[in-house]
Amino acid sequence: EAGVAQSPRYKIIEKRQSVAFWCNPISGHATLYWYQQILGQGPKLLIQFQNNGVVDDSQLPKDRFSAERLKGVDSTLKIQPAKLEDSAVYLCASSVFDSPLHFGNGTRLTVT
Amino acid sequence: AQSVSQHNHHVILSEAASLELGCNYSYGGTVNLFWYVQYPGQHLQLLLKYFSGDPLVKGIKGFEAEFIKSKFSFNLRKPSVQWSDTAEYFCAVRLSGNTPLVFGKGTRLSVIA
Repeated sequence: EAGVAQSPRYKIIEKRQSVAFWCNPISGHATLYWYQQILGQGPKLLIQFQNNGVVDDSQLPKDRFSAERLKGVDSTLKIQPAKLEDSAVYLCASSVFDSPLHFGNGTRLTVT
Repeated sequence: AQSVSQHNHHVILSEAASLELGCNYSYGGTVNLFWYVQYPGQHLQLLLKYFSGDPLVKGIKGFEAEFIKSKFSFNLRKPSVQWSDTAEYFCAVRLSGNTPLVFGKGTRLSVIA
């Protein structure tokens, strides 16, 4: 089966600019997650979708981060405006109900 | 708040040495437990999982882990490591069902010849 696809793989932006990441989950996976992984730390959940509805966005910094999954398949995560501390790897993962999560390769964001 | 603790930040072993990586969690209720591995330049991959039943679970590549409920622990073990086991290892926990994973900070394993 095809894995979770993410793009771009790398992105370098200046602070206060905006950036968007894209994720295509494994076909049939209703649950989609975005995680942020700062260097030296474990992944931290940003948002969880079930189909096109938000299940948990309690840790999403909503003043600058937004995410959507309009048709219940692909998802985009946006940061506007970016801060230096947003430099991290942004991971997308998908699953079916309580199965283990499948992760994409991530997008490495550098904010200068 | 729910949390996962991994005791070792960086472990260096010689090939053929035995490995044990510690993981403790603070959760009430029924949990699902996971170990993920991230090889250099690759995505997170599932090593093994525990949902219920036999607390000693076996995963891929000769890894195993033991769930000790009384100690809130899920330590990862391998009897004899290889150079190709060099990677970062993450313990993760969630409440059973369709809930997000909470990850530990990870342990970097370096295996030297």
